[in-house]
This record gives sequence, structure tokens and C-alpha cells, in this order.
Amino acid sequence: GQQVMQIPQYQHVQEGEDFTTYCNSSTTLSNIQWYKQRPGGHPVFLIQLVKSGEVKKQKRLTFQFGEAKKNSSLHITATQTTDVGTYFCAGPETGRRALTFGSGTRLQVQP
Amino acid sequence: DAGVIQSPRHEVTEMGQEVTLRCKPISGHNSLFWYRQTMMRGLELLIYFNNNVPIDDSGMPEDRFSAKMPNASFSTLKIQPSEPRDSAVYFCASSLTGTGRETQYFGPGTRLLVL
Repeated sequence: GQQVMQIPQYQHVQEGEDFTTYCNSSTTLSNIQWYKQRPGGHPVFLIQLVKSGEVKKQKRLTFQFGEAKKNSSLHITATQTTDVGTYFCAGPETGRRALTFGSGTRLQVQP
Repeated sequence: DAGVIQSPRHEVTEMGQEVTLRCKPISGHNSLFWYRQTMMRGLELLIYFNNNVPIDDSGMPEDRFSAKMPNASFSTLKIQPSEPRDSAVYFCASSLTGTGRETQYFGPGTRLLVL
């Protein structure tokens, strides 16, 4: 079945440093979504990318969808303590309404 | 909008007991998903419904787990009998599918501990 892998599993940065997480799918995706889960919280939708090579920005967050629509990345510029949490990518499974979630990247920001 | 509502928020029970988790999706959404999250296995899809009909339950661990959606505004996930390995956070999510967006809105989760 479809697999979605994320790296790294965990990253610890100093406040102000940049952070990037990468997402790779075993199959071509029609779109990819990113979610953030704060410690003790639930996943919250951040953004959806649909087009090949698409780049979207949300303040300090930059999301990219690969040309082959099999990979994606999330880059955070100048991290803040409010960025702490686990970031998940998710892609729709072929022929299903369900999403396959990646394993997530847990970000810890040291003040 | 109240968002997805789940109850109870926390549940502690003893092995062998029946556990029922409840979910009220966002009004107007036509798909509902049940997930389980653990440190070891991450976020796993258990089952999802579309227009109240179970579409795929291949993620349900075993016969001890069952889920129902009697109407568009309510779903239950039942574990009978519960076992310690069922301890996890169970999330319900809903979405409006068929729009090409498929964004899922998660509830706050039920933290289940089976002793």
C-alpha cells in the first residue's frame, strides 16, 4: 500500500535557527496536506498543495510540492518557541477518501 | 462552529471492560474518520465513513473493535473487551469530501488508558 515517510523524526533547534522537514510518498499524489500537532493537542490543518512544483508561504513557513508530486517539504525560517510541535504531511490514497499520514517530525525549540 | 466534538476526553478502565468513544462531526461534513495515535505506531487510520456508510475498516485492529455511524451527526467506536495494548489517543476527524480539498478537522481526542 501507499507509504508516506518523513525525515527527520526529531529535530532540536535553538530559537532563531531555521528548520526543514521532508516528506516522501511511494506513489504520486494528487495533493499533499500539512498538519501541525502541538504537545497534548490534536492535528490542525496548515495548508494543501495541489500543483506540481507549487510553493506556498504562510509568514515564516514555506511549503513546497515536488515536480513529480511525490515529495514535499516544510521550511520554517527563524524558529520561535510557538513552532514547537509535530508536523505531519498527508496524502490521499489512490481511490480512497482517506489520507495517509507521514510519521511526523517532532520539532523542539530551545529558547 | 463548535468543531468536532469527542467524549469522553479521558477514560481509564480495567482490562476486559467495554469502552465506548463518541464523536460528533462538524455539521455538513460527509466523511468521518477514526484514528488511533501511539508513540510506537504514530497516527493510524482505523475506519472511515462516507455519508454514514463504512467505506474502509481495514485499519480496525481486530474483532474487539467496532464502529457505527447511525446518523450524520454521531459516531461511536467501541472496544469490547479492552486490553492494555489498546491504550492510546483516539481521534475522530471529519471532512467535506468531493470538493477536491479533503481537509480533515480533528477533534480533541480521547485519551484511553486500559489497566
